[in-house]
Amino acid sequence: KAGVTQTPRYLIKTRGQQVTLSCSPISGHRSVSWYQQTPGQGLQFLFEYFSETQRNKGNFPGRFSGRQFSNSRSEMNVSTLELGDSALYLCASSLWPLTTRGYTFGSGTRLTVV
Amino acid sequence: GENVEQHPSTLSVQEGDSAVIKCTYSDSASNYFPWYKQELGKRPQLIIDIRSNVGEKKDQRIAVTLNKTAKHFSLHITETQPEDSAVYFCAASTISNFGNEKLTFGTGTRLTIIP
Repeated sequence: KAGVTQTPRYLIKTRGQQVTLSCSPISGHRSVSWYQQTPGQGLQFLFEYFSETQRNKGNFPGRFSGRQFSNSRSEMNVSTLELGDSALYLCASSLWPLTTRGYTFGSGTRLTVV
Repeated sequence: GENVEQHPSTLSVQEGDSAVIKCTYSDSASNYFPWYKQELGKRPQLIIDIRSNVGEKKDQRIAVTLNKTAKHFSLHITETQPEDSAVYFCAASTISNFGNEKLTFGTGTRLTIIP
């Protein structure tokens, strides 16, 4: 059974650019959540999608957006990149309810903004 | 919103000794508490979880305890081994009747096992 796949693994962008990250969940998982991981802030929740609908959103500016497609694949977009956006972005998929088996994380996309 | 505090931020123990990591949460409605292990350069992986209707759960050398009254839960690792060295994250989830699920994570504990 394939795991959670995130692409690309690494990205280098310049300030002001935009970026799109992709996440393919485990087959059968309809919930996809996104987290930002930085050394000083740990795992910060961005948003969660279920059946193409955003069900929950964290405290990030509107430059961070996402969507989910009918096959449960999800994308995250960051516009007008800032240096502080450099981080590891993790996607996690799960069954519903969450208590069934928790999250399965992807390997992440490491974004560097220069 | 939910707030999860985790202590200590770093922990070093001799191989073979026990390690304990503690977390507190703020939302009394939280009902699911997983623990994740993240080895260097790898993804976080679920190692054990506990639901609010259970006070303790064990899986070989790891165990988790939950005190709902005090709103804290702990991870216990016994007979530590070098491969236990990693960053451990606790988390708490609130699940609404509408299926609104979110995990709020603690800030992590870097555990180092000294050979």
